[in-house]
Amino acid sequence: ETGVTQSPTHLIKTRGQQVTLRCSSQSGHNTVSWYQQALGQGPQFIFQYYREEENGRGNFPPRFSGLQFPNYSSELNVNALELDDSALYLCASCGRVGGARFDGTQYFGPGTRLTVL
Amino acid sequence: ELKVEQNPLFLSMQEGKNYTIYCNYSTTSDRLYWYRQDPGKSLESLFVLLSNGAVKQEGRLMASLDTKARLSTLHITAAVHDLSATYFCAATTSGTYKYIFGTGTRLKVLA
Repeated sequence: ETGVTQSPTHLIKTRGQQVTLRCSSQSGHNTVSWYQQALGQGPQFIFQYYREEENGRGNFPPRFSGLQFPNYSSELNVNALELDDSALYLCASCGRVGGARFDGTQYFGPGTRLTVL
Repeated sequence: ELKVEQNPLFLSMQEGKNYTIYCNYSTTSDRLYWYRQDPGKSLESLFVLLSNGAVKQEGRLMASLDTKARLSTLHITAAVHDLSATYFCAATTSGTYKYIFGTGTRLKVLA
């Protein structure tokens, strides 16, 4: 069983630029969530995708956007980067293709460390 | 709005000692999760608690849930150095899989 993978592992951008982060969900999972974790803090929910539709959003501005593809992989896009966007971005997957019941446990990828200068 | 608080934020303990981490949440939640995070690493699932009175144990860690008190605890028995990490609890609002995380408890076990 393949776990959650994310790319790239590290990224350095300057203020005002745009960035795209990628996530491949664990095999058999159809739901992907994105979280932002600032240094020394708990992860903050950005949004979740289910069947290619946004299925819940946290308190993040519209310049944070995403996509989910038919193979359940996902992208997180951030426009007009700000210094405070520097963080570890975590992708997590859960769910069961075919709709079988599960306990909601999310499985996290290794994260992308974004630094905005 | 669901909020989750953990205490203590930092915990330094001697090997062999017992301690408890507390996780309080503000509104009704139907699921409570515990995760471990090592420095520079991602989150590893430890436990999921689905009902009032649920208790789960794995090795030296035991988690419990009291939905009436809106409280979950993570008890550490006879701590060893390998348990040094940051521990997070997360709750979800009913019908969603949106995790609200606590601030985390940074545990350091001293030899």
